[in-house]
Amino acid sequence: DIQMTQSPSSLSASVGDRVTITCRASQSISRYLNWYQQKPGKAPKLLIYAASSLQSGVPSRFSGDGSGTDFTLTISSLQPEDFATYYCQQSYSTLYTFGQGTKLEIK
Amino acid sequence: QVQLVESGGGVVQPGGSLRLSCAASGFTFSSYGMHWVRQAPGKGLEWVAFIRYDGSNKYYADSVKGRFTISRDNSKNTLYLQMNSLRAEDTAVYYCAKDREGAALDYWGQGTLVTVSS
Repeated sequence: DIQMTQSPSSLSASVGDRVTITCRASQSISRYLNWYQQKPGKAPKLLIYAASSLQSGVPSRFSGDGSGTDFTLTISSLQPEDFATYYCQQSYSTLYTFGQGTKLEIK
Repeated sequence: QVQLVESGGGVVQPGGSLRLSCAASGFTFSSYGMHWVRQAPGKGLEWVAFIRYDGSNKYYADSVKGRFTISRDNSKNTLYLQMNSLRAEDTAVYYCAKDREGAALDYWGQGTLVTVSS
């Protein structure tokens, strides 16, 4: 199975900060990497698919990059509504594993 | 607009069975693969199962293989998850989600809670 490891597990930041979350795969997954945002008590929301493609309706301050085993999600200027938990997910293998999550909190 | 509505959750004893349903609307259900994803209380997301648009292929997480069965009825726009031999560790909110192609999950239901407890 492909293991997905996110770092950091939690992160404190302020409104307006630039934030980067990293996701590493245990083997190469090309660009088959997706990012989700989840707020408490809500279903996850797709932000980025295929490593860097922005899902329709998602603000352009969100961006994704990477290929192979190393990927990043960057929020260019944090807004109050961005404080949430973020998950990466690989779709290279038919065992579609998620990372353990990164909780983004207000400093 | 795309809508996914799960139902069928509840409390069940260890070793018991439960069938979840996911009613889909707002898109051509028969053209898209569908997933089940779960989230144990206070924990992260765990992918559970995927079924192709026509039901021809099904894939399962190792943790549920042999116990859970994913299926669909395209005439009823409904996805199912049959869960047998339930264990305490299956306790979670279960979400159904639409596949965007390339196994990105672009629409999610609100989830249904399954509690396995004696």
